[in-house]
Amino acid sequence: GENVEQHPSTLSVQEGDSAVIKCTYSDSASNYFPWYKQELGKGPQLIIDIRSNVGEKKDQRIAVTLNKTAKHFSLHITETQPEDSAVYFCAARGGGGGNKLTFGTGTQLKVEL
Amino acid sequence: DAGVIQSPRHEVTEMGQEVTLRCKPISGHNSLFWYRQTMMRGLELLIYFNNNVPIDDSGMPEDRFSAKMPNASFSTLKIQPSEPRDSAVYFCASSLGLGNTEAFFGQGTRLTVV
Repeated sequence: GENVEQHPSTLSVQEGDSAVIKCTYSDSASNYFPWYKQELGKGPQLIIDIRSNVGEKKDQRIAVTLNKTAKHFSLHITETQPEDSAVYFCAARGGGGGNKLTFGTGTQLKVEL
Repeated sequence: DAGVIQSPRHEVTEMGQEVTLRCKPISGHNSLFWYRQTMMRGLELLIYFNNNVPIDDSGMPEDRFSAKMPNASFSTLKIQPSEPRDSAVYFCASSLGLGNTEAFFGQGTRLTVV
């Protein structure tokens, strides 16, 4: 089955700096890669996603890149703000028409003033 | 829509007792997922349904766990008997259907088995 690895497990940045979180996946047939943000006491919430026919996608301060050859994808947050502090999860959905998301282990992002 | 609704938000029970977690998916969504979140294992998919039919239950840890979806607006996850190692946050999520569609998560149920 699919295996998703995520790094780093914790990340601390100064307000205004950029943050980058990286994930790798194992199933070359995976075709959908969402990123979720989880705040304390809440469920994960989708912030951006990318499909296998696209190499990069941007939404305001958030961008995701995908390298299918290397089987890795990354989340980039620019101009970080304190409200960006949360746990971020990457995920991958395998091929074969199923709907199963495999999640990474999460990155605790802390944006310091 | 109020989103995915889970109940209860918190559950504390004694080892050996039966626990039932409940989920109401977003109206019109055809796929429903049950996840378990722990510090050690992260987010694990336990089971998912499409059009009320279980599609993949390979993540269900043991026979003590069972899930049902009697209709499009309700699902339960039952643990019987419960054990302390079942303590975790259990999330329910729903999406429009099979394929590359966004999964919306509920607020979760924090289960503590003492």
